[in-house]
Amino acid sequence: DIQMTQSPSSLSASVGDRVTITCRASQSVTTYLNWYQHKVGKAPKLLIYAASSLQSGVPSRFSGSGSGTDFTLTISSLQLEDFATYYCQQIYSTPYTFGQGTKLEIK
Amino acid sequence: QVQLQESGPGLVKPSETLSLTCTVSGGSINPYYWTWIRQPPGKALEWVGYIYYGGGTSYNPSLKSRVTMSLDTSKNQFSLNLNSVTAADTAVYYCARGKEMSRIIYFDYWGHGTLVTVSS
Repeated sequence: DIQMTQSPSSLSASVGDRVTITCRASQSVTTYLNWYQHKVGKAPKLLIYAASSLQSGVPSRFSGSGSGTDFTLTISSLQLEDFATYYCQQIYSTPYTFGQGTKLEIK
Repeated sequence: QVQLQESGPGLVKPSETLSLTCTVSGGSINPYYWTWIRQPPGKALEWVGYIYYGGGTSYNPSLKSRVTMSLDTSKNQFSLNLNSVTAADTAVYYCARGKEMSRIIYFDYWGHGTLVTVSS
């Protein structure tokens, strides 16, 4: 199985901050990498697919980059509604695997 | 707007079978990958498997011997059966729609999840 490792595991930030979350795969997944946002009690939400493509309806302050084994999710200017947990997921090979999550908290 | 809703027992006894159904509304069953994902308490999301609209399946090898998925296109529903459950199967179970674009599959609609506890 491909292991996905996110860093940091948790992050405190303020509204307006620029935030970057990283995700590393244990082997190359080319650009077969998705990012999701998850709030407690709600359905997870797709943000980015294929490493850098913004899902329809997702604000442009979210962006993704990377290929191979190293990926980043960037939020250019944090808004109150962005405080949540973020997961990366590889869909290069089954079993599709997720990172352990990055919890973004208000400073 | 596509919506997915999980349903099924919230409590299952050890060694018995966990059965969940996901009802899809606001959209068609095809041509998507109908997927189950779970999250044990305090742990990461885990892909359980999917059933393609044509009936093909792919399961997580860690669960493969115990998992069966099925699709009922007449009811716009798909189901998960996980047998011989243990406490390790306690989790929030999500159903999701997988969409393929240029061989990339992404899960664009999810249910809110249902907690299934395995306990006697």
